Amino acid sequence: DAMVIQNPRYQVTQFGKPVTLSCSQTLNHNVMYWYQQKSSQAPKLLFHYYDKDFNNEADTPDNFQSRRPNTSFCFLDIRSPGLGDAAMYLCATTDSGGPNYNEQFFGPGTRLTVL
Amino acid sequence: LAKTTQPISMDSYEGQEVNITCSHNNIATNDYITWYQQFPSQGPRFIIQGYKTKVTNEVASLFIPADRKSSTLSLPRVSLSDTAVYYCLVGDISGGYNKLIFGAGTRLAVHP
Repeated sequence: DAMVIQNPRYQVTQFGKPVTLSCSQTLNHNVMYWYQQKSSQAPKLLFHYYDKDFNNEADTPDNFQSRRPNTSFCFLDIRSPGLGDAAMYLCATTDSGGPNYNEQFFGPGTRLTVL
Repeated sequence: LAKTTQPISMDSYEGQEVNITCSHNNIATNDYITWYQQFPSQGPRFIIQGYKTKVTNEVASLFIPADRKSSTLSLPRVSLSDTAVYYCLVGDISGGYNKLIFGAGTRLAVHP
């Protein structure tokens, strides 16, 4: 089945140690999003790629970066994780030119723990 | 983007119909109303979307009055597996895709 895959599902890192979360999709969607969801809170959009064009949200900290080397893969880099960055990170995709352009497809998320 | 307001939590029992109302007083002409469902430790899942009047699919119904300042998600005959957080979102999708700005959501608990 076509899907959005996030690896790893659980990631533990140390305070200040760079970490990379990955997302891949077999849907061939051109738009990919990264969200941060802290415990008992709603998902918060960090940034998204429309094809190769990167779109950052105004309040996303500089500590968060993203790369999209091809259509299928997108990475979230946290350069110096702080304790406040512990959260679930969700990847989502949309096909802007398809019949379901109004729907985002989410992966299962990566839960990040910062020690 | 229009701000949405919905109840923080609701309780129901198996077999009942559940109606979750969302208010969006500042909805714009091009805005659509979308609902997502999220189970614990999973990503949100699209449920239903509408612009006006009533939309129904295999999962839920969405009622939107003429002034579009509110909407109601209706879940018929809920089961324990419907226990989740339900998010109401409002936004313009006419550009071919959308950014989702999530509100607080409604935490629905279905009891036996």
